[in-house]
Amino acid sequence: DAGVIQSPRHEVTEMGQEVTLRCKPISGHNSLFWYRQTMMRGLELLIYFNNNVPIDDSGMPEDRFSAKMPNASFSTLKIQPSEPRDSAVYFCASSLGTGSNQPQHFGDGTRLSIL
Amino acid sequence: SQQGEEDPQALSIQEGENATMNCSYKTSINNLQWYRQNSGRGLVHLILIRSNEREKHSGRLRVTLDTSKKSSSLLITASRAADTASYFCATDGGASGGSYIPTFGRGTSLIVHP
Repeated sequence: DAGVIQSPRHEVTEMGQEVTLRCKPISGHNSLFWYRQTMMRGLELLIYFNNNVPIDDSGMPEDRFSAKMPNASFSTLKIQPSEPRDSAVYFCASSLGTGSNQPQHFGDGTRLSIL
Repeated sequence: SQQGEEDPQALSIQEGENATMNCSYKTSINNLQWYRQNSGRGLVHLILIRSNEREKHSGRLRVTLDTSKKSSSLLITASRAADTASYFCATDGGASGGSYIPTFGRGTSLIVHP
């Protein structure tokens, strides 16, 4: 079975550039989560979707961050303009629902470096 | 906001020894989950324990939950070098109505020396 697929795995870009991270959840999963992981702050939930609808985006740090889920098999996280402090590993996860008895399945992340 | 905190932050043991990690949280929960993260990879779900359960086993893993102390522990018995990873607990803060905003602790970094 294919797991959660994220692309790119690594991204290095200059400050001010637009960055787009992509995620393909596991087929049949109806909940999708975007996380950011840093040494300083640990794993932070940015936003999550249920049935393609954003449910809670209170973790999105600034208006420079936006996320979309145009269909059940694809989501993007966009940063525009990017800043050095956005450097982190970004994870996408999916699950069969938002119930807390549902395990989350994580992709292997996108390591983002903003110079 | 609700958050689990793992303890210790780092643990170094020899292969064959047992490893115990703890998770403390602040408010009541419905479920608590443990995850593992290998270096450079995403988190992998290990085990879920419900608030009305006190202990659960999965292979070499044993999880306990003490809701009166708001704490959980993960025991890995007869550890192997391949168990080297970071381990996280995730709590739901007692969320109801189908919503679940998971919060993860900072993790325990386990190193198992061969």
